[in-house]
Amino acid sequence: DTAVSQTPKYLVTQMGNDKSIKCEQNLGHDTMYWYKQDSKKFLKIMFSYNNKELIINETVPNRFSPKSPDKAHLNLHINSLELGDSAVYFCASSQGAQGGKPQHFGDGTRLSIL
Amino acid sequence: GQQVMQIPQYQHVQEGEDFTTYCNSSTTLSNIQWYKQRPGGHPVFLIQLVKSGEVKKQKRLTFQFGEAKKNSSLHITATQTTDVGTYFCAAPSTPLVFGKGTRLSVIA
Repeated sequence: DTAVSQTPKYLVTQMGNDKSIKCEQNLGHDTMYWYKQDSKKFLKIMFSYNNKELIINETVPNRFSPKSPDKAHLNLHINSLELGDSAVYFCASSQGAQGGKPQHFGDGTRLSIL
Repeated sequence: GQQVMQIPQYQHVQEGEDFTTYCNSSTTLSNIQWYKQRPGGHPVFLIQLVKSGEVKKQKRLTFQFGEAKKNSSLHITATQTTDVGTYFCAAPSTPLVFGKGTRLSVIA
């Protein structure tokens, strides 16, 4: 009965490959997020969806393409992976898109590019 | 856009010592949130402060929101090894704006 679940937990792949990360939440929240956390632990917002609609798209290379088939799922596809993409990617959800709502995070996907 | 500055970036303490992390904003905040991330884990919501001058406690953790609602602090009394991790403050914005975190190490 995990609230926010991400798969896979670890992803090791070579430069140039394409990979996807999946996220599902069973909290009934209407807003989902993707964050990137680098080695210095800085949490950087990448995307946010509210009721399947993209509402936040920070300065992220267009190799990253999010997709939300329904409000309980938010996936992230990455094309042509680069060394700098190595990081931990967290999915999160909240009820409401306005700031100030507590966010619930998944366990993260540790992406390593060889 | 909204930013919050968090200090210190790192703190090493002996077990049993107290620890405080500070979060500052240049603008008035409607509320502030605190999260904890254990090593290898994910950020976990701890608390939200809303009122000017608010003080809330969770066991050995004391959270304060400044009178001007521009700063906040998290104080841990008598740290334990279980307190190890990174503590983030987060300011309400769309999206939520996280501070850079304070990484706490506790030496047994």
